[in-house]
This record gives sequence, C-alpha cells and structure tokens, in this order.
Amino acid sequence: EVQLVQSGAEVKKPGESLKISCKGSGYSFTSYWIGWVRQMPGKGLEWMGIIYPADSDIRYSPSFQGQVTISADKSISTAYLQWISLKASDTAMYYCARASFGTLDYWGQGTLVTVSS
Amino acid sequence: QSALTQPPSVSGSPGQSVTISCTGTSSDVGSYNRVSWYQQPPGTAPKLMIYEVSNRPSGVPDRFSGSKSGNTASLTISGLQAEDEADYYCSSYTSSSTYVFGTGTKVTVL
Repeated sequence: EVQLVQSGAEVKKPGESLKISCKGSGYSFTSYWIGWVRQMPGKGLEWMGIIYPADSDIRYSPSFQGQVTISADKSISTAYLQWISLKASDTAMYYCARASFGTLDYWGQGTLVTVSS
Repeated sequence: QSALTQPPSVSGSPGQSVTISCTGTSSDVGSYNRVSWYQQPPGTAPKLMIYEVSNRPSGVPDRFSGSKSGNTASLTISGLQAEDEADYYCSSYTSSSTYVFGTGTKVTVL
C-alpha cells in the first residue's frame, strides 16, 4: 500500500527555522517525483515545488523560489520542506504528494505549521 | 504564474449534473494534456479524481468525467450525490516546467 506519512504539527515563532518531512513507503521512492503543496487557512491549493529523489532534481514554482528549500534523502525514502526564517504568512497546512507526470496520485495527511509570536 | 480560473461555486440537486470549468492559457491548459482534478472535502487531504484530462483512477465512480477544449478543461459530475459535496481543484503542467492549481470550486448538493 502506497503511503506518505508527514511529520506532526508545528508551532513556531517568526524568525525561527523549520524542516518538515514526508516519508514514502509501499513503492519505489526513487521512481516518482514528490510535490509539496501549500494551503493557507480558508484558501486554495498552491503548488510549491517538486523533487525527483533519485537525483534531487528540483523545480520550484516562481512564487516559492528562494522562500523555501525542498530536499530529499533517498536512503530513508524521505522528502523535506525547509524554512530558514519563518514569517506569520507561512502559517498554513502543507501537503506532500507522490507525483507522476504532474498527477498527484497519493497524498500525505498534511502538516499544520503555525507561526505566531 | 497565475492560478487557473474556476467558478467559486456550483450547485445542483441530487441526480442532476454539474460542470466545473478550469480556464488557463496557451502556456498551460492549452498546450498540455497534464490536467488533473482533485476533490477536497472539509478538513481532509485532497484526492485525485481525474488525471491527464479524462482518465479516472481506480475506485473513482464513472459519474466523474473530464474533458478539454482549447485553454479550458472541465469536470462533470453526473448523477450528483450528497457525498460529492466538497471543494474541487484543477491543476495543469506549465511551459515553465512547473505546475499550477485552479482557484477552486465549492460544489453544493441542494
């Protein structure tokens, strides 16, 4: 069974750093891209970027380039989304999903990130 | 890179059909068949309903169908059921080698 399990909810202060994770199982982790999606409170879905764990090829959506860092450790079948300095506007639910030709066919349960002073 | 345009809401009675449009440009929807649709009930993760314009994953009822004409893709739900009430999002590959979602449509079953 294909599963993507994300790390738990986080509460952080502005300016702090954060790295959340997404662990894949039940399939060949290096054969599919992993995408990250943001959903701000009460808002729609936004593509953030996508990574191919086999060679760490990464494509960022223009709105998120330079704002976050996407990475992966294929040895433990885990993808990451990282911030150096969080802002209140980063408060959102973040989803990872397995991607095949742009289709997000399996999704993680989501990680809620709350940034508040 | 702007979001694809969807109507904010559509509604229908049980058994009726509703269609959700997803309008992009020649740089995304109009040039690629990598258009997919996702269903998101409140408080849950999105679920894939249609991929590559008109293909249904295993387990998705055949009441759901997709199509595309020019820069506009469409999702039709035939025989609307109460369980179909959710937010729906389209997504497309773009000429920038990235992806973009639609603005989202709330489907209400009257």
